[in-house]
Amino acid sequence: EVQLVESGGGLVQPGRSLKLSCVASGFTFSNYGMNWIRQAPGKGLEWVAYISSGSSYIYYAETVKGRFTISRDNAKNTLYLQMTSLRSEDTALYYCARLGVMDAWGQGASVTVSS
Amino acid sequence: DIQMTQSPPVLSASVGDRVTLSCKASQNINKNLDWYQQKHGEAPKLLIYYTNNLQTGIPSRFSGSGSGTDYTLTISSLQPEDVATYYCYQYNSGYTFGAGTKLELK
Repeated sequence: EVQLVESGGGLVQPGRSLKLSCVASGFTFSNYGMNWIRQAPGKGLEWVAYISSGSSYIYYAETVKGRFTISRDNAKNTLYLQMTSLRSEDTALYYCARLGVMDAWGQGASVTVSS
Repeated sequence: DIQMTQSPPVLSASVGDRVTLSCKASQNINKNLDWYQQKHGEAPKLLIYYTNNLQTGIPSRFSGSGSGTDYTLTISSLQPEDVATYYCYQYNSGYTFGAGTKLELK
């Protein structure tokens, strides 16, 4: 069974940093590009970042470029999202996801940015 | 960046109705479009990939069509379990979700 389990969310003050992790199981993690997608409370889905299977290709939404860093450790089957200079508008549920025909999503990690 | 506009934002329909949801791209996306369903409190789930391909395990009442900038998700006979928000997602140039269509029962 394919599983994606996010962790690392929490309450953080504006301007501070937070790092999310997503542990994958049930598939060969190193074969797939992965994404972070977020959903602010009561709002729609927003794609945040993508990393290719071997980390050669990395893309970010303009709203997070320069502040967030996506990375992965294929030996540990883990995807990361390092978030810095956090703003109130970054408050959201952050999903780790494998998109497309091999669709798989985690349950999400909640990030609240507030003083 | 490509913008995706979904309409209507909210749709009320009755069980058994044929329902059509629209998604319009700001430029040609070459059929590189998927449809996701998100039920309340759950993670999204893929329904349709590459415009018109039904994901495994999805009921055949769901179908997709379109080309260029205009795309459609159709539910041939609405069921109570179809109440959800539906998102289109383009991956032709960058990656963009539409704002969603919330489907309610009348």
